[in-house]
Amino acid sequence: ETGVTQTPRHLVMGMTNKKSLKCEQHLGHNAMYWYKQSAKKPLELMFVYSLEERVENNSVPSRFSPECPNSSHLFLHLHTLQPEDSALYLCASSRDSSYNSPLHFGNGTRLTVT
Amino acid sequence: GENVEQHPSTLSVQEGDSAVIKCTYSDSASNYFPWYKQELGKGPQLIIDIRSNVGEKKDQRIAVTLNKTAKHFSLHITETQPEDSAVYFCAASKGSGYSTLTFGKGTMLLVSP
Repeated sequence: ETGVTQTPRHLVMGMTNKKSLKCEQHLGHNAMYWYKQSAKKPLELMFVYSLEERVENNSVPSRFSPECPNSSHLFLHLHTLQPEDSALYLCASSRDSSYNSPLHFGNGTRLTVT
Repeated sequence: GENVEQHPSTLSVQEGDSAVIKCTYSDSASNYFPWYKQELGKGPQLIIDIRSNVGEKKDQRIAVTLNKTAKHFSLHITETQPEDSAVYFCAASKGSGYSTLTFGKGTMLLVSP
């Protein structure tokens, strides 16, 4: 039990679909993150939210749209994705958004775009 | 920006042997270096971290060393066990308004009984 829950665990979608990934943290943390994990590549930071305010949008295409309604929940809305977007999407939280605040990851959503 | 190189990409050892994973970083301003372990089907989990004002840190069978001059840091696992088999990631970040960890590509460690 990591304290960070992601749903669904697996998702297959066509390029014209719209879907959402959900993340919930039970740790009382104030910062939440979306990372993309692709084979043979380092983890890529996509978005950072601190106290429900987006503080980082790391040059991510607009077909990915994050939403943070409160400090415990984070969503990633997906639309018009490309096959190269297939990857493991990891949500993480930390006590605060400072550079040395340890990240607590969920188990990820395995996304396949067909 | 920061660039983190990690070696080797795969490492196979016998149970009881030691394992060493090495990382180099490019930004001399980086001052926080965590290591994460990712087991199959799970997200990464922090196992140990070190700050730039410390040269070495130990926690039971794992240790991390940091050489700021050479800009490299290493993870050492002693008396390896099969449950140590996983992918290990190093990362680096520097003081800023929010966490911007740069990760290495990972090392798959396989410990054979």
